[in-house]
Amino acid sequence: GESVGLHLPTLSVQEGDNSIINCAYSNSASDYFIWYKQESGKGPQFIIDIRSNMDKRQGQRVTVLLNKTVKHLSLQIAATQPGDSAVYFCAENAAGNKLTFGGGTRVLVKP
Amino acid sequence: GAVVSQHPSRVICKSGTSVKIECRSLDFQATTMFWYRQFPKQSLMLMATSNEGSKATYEQGVEKDKFLINHASLTLSTLTVTSAHPEDSSFYICSARAPHRGEEKLFFGSGTQLSVL
Repeated sequence: GESVGLHLPTLSVQEGDNSIINCAYSNSASDYFIWYKQESGKGPQFIIDIRSNMDKRQGQRVTVLLNKTVKHLSLQIAATQPGDSAVYFCAENAAGNKLTFGGGTRVLVKP
Repeated sequence: GAVVSQHPSRVICKSGTSVKIECRSLDFQATTMFWYRQFPKQSLMLMATSNEGSKATYEQGVEKDKFLINHASLTLSTLTVTSAHPEDSSFYICSARAPHRGEEKLFFGSGTQLSVL
């Protein structure tokens, strides 16, 4: 969905714990989803992607879950590290092969 | 992954002047590039799709005469903010796909922070 408001939801997590970031997407016809990480003043960095014919995909320390029934996407980060502190965005591949971004979640890792 | 270079990273200009931002695909050819704008603490909003050799496609609400896009080659797209005003101050980010490398995901430039005084 589109981002509104002047602040991002924030997830505070203790170093070493697991993080779960959630995202609701808007277009039931979207067939491809991506999670990006954005650090302050930088462009988004690819983390992991998933196609609509899958419900789970794992990467290095990250797992993406897709629930098409409720149009929900989540990103799980295992053993969260200080370097994981950033803003995380989900994105859906919408009509016209364009990427639409969700509102973002700020992750703060506490030492 | 594929590399997208964006320049300049930061620009400060006076109101009424024009600013050009360059986006280059360094190790692949990009027939299509995308330009996004991001305001503080907000998400990325797609402004336009830049097509090599043809006119850009603008999203609803984006003024094509104000945000001029030129995609003259397979490795370069430029965004010119014409007659910039303080409300145009934002973080502008370009992106591209590298489908011929089997890459469906978008690769992003490092962004340009525009501040209009």
